[in-house]
Amino acid sequence: DAGVTQSPTHLIKTRGQQVTLRCSPISGHKSVSWYQQVLGQGPQFIFQYYEKEERGRGNFPDRFSARQFPNYSSELNVNALLLGDSALYLCASSLTFGSATTDTQYFGPGTRLTVL
Amino acid sequence: AQTVTQSQPEMSVQEAETVTLSCTYDTSESDYYLFWYKQPPSRQMILVIRQEAYKQQNATENRFSVNFQKAAKSFSLKISDSQLGDAAMYFCAYRSAGGSQGNLIFGKGTKLSVKP
Repeated sequence: DAGVTQSPTHLIKTRGQQVTLRCSPISGHKSVSWYQQVLGQGPQFIFQYYEKEERGRGNFPDRFSARQFPNYSSELNVNALLLGDSALYLCASSLTFGSATTDTQYFGPGTRLTVL
Repeated sequence: AQTVTQSQPEMSVQEAETVTLSCTYDTSESDYYLFWYKQPPSRQMILVIRQEAYKQQNATENRFSVNFQKAAKSFSLKISDSQLGDAAMYFCAYRSAGGSQGNLIFGKGTKLSVKP
């Protein structure tokens, strides 16, 4: 089975632009989470969706938004890009939400966003 | 709020030897999950091992084992018979077991080098 896939792999934008990142979960997984990983740091939680509903939001500004589609894929949108938004954006999927072992998160390869 | 601390920014081990990576965490919750993830230069975050806080028995996965000390809030990872492919960033992560918090809280990571 295919793992979590993300597109694009790399992206270069300029300040003030908007960007959309995409994620497809493992087949059968219904929960998708987004994390931001700045160079040299651990990932920071941005959003979690389950069954197309937002189930959690990290401490990020309103410029960050996301949604989950009926096929459980997800998009992360970032508006008015800042230099500090440059990071690796990771998507993770899990079978369920709020359960025991079935909500273990499996990560995709990430999208490297560079803001100039 | 929960926090995860990895006090060793870098570690080095000789091939075939054993190495232990440290992780401490702070929480007021009694039920939670702990994880070790591996992130090689390819960037893909890979689950290494998982521990449920209610289980007293330490988790093991082949050459990887943990020393979980709940009272001390310590969760170290032991890698036995180290291999060149073990070289990577290792992240310790925490997740609440109850409520609506499905997100992972990561430490800053430990960079492991394996010498041939």
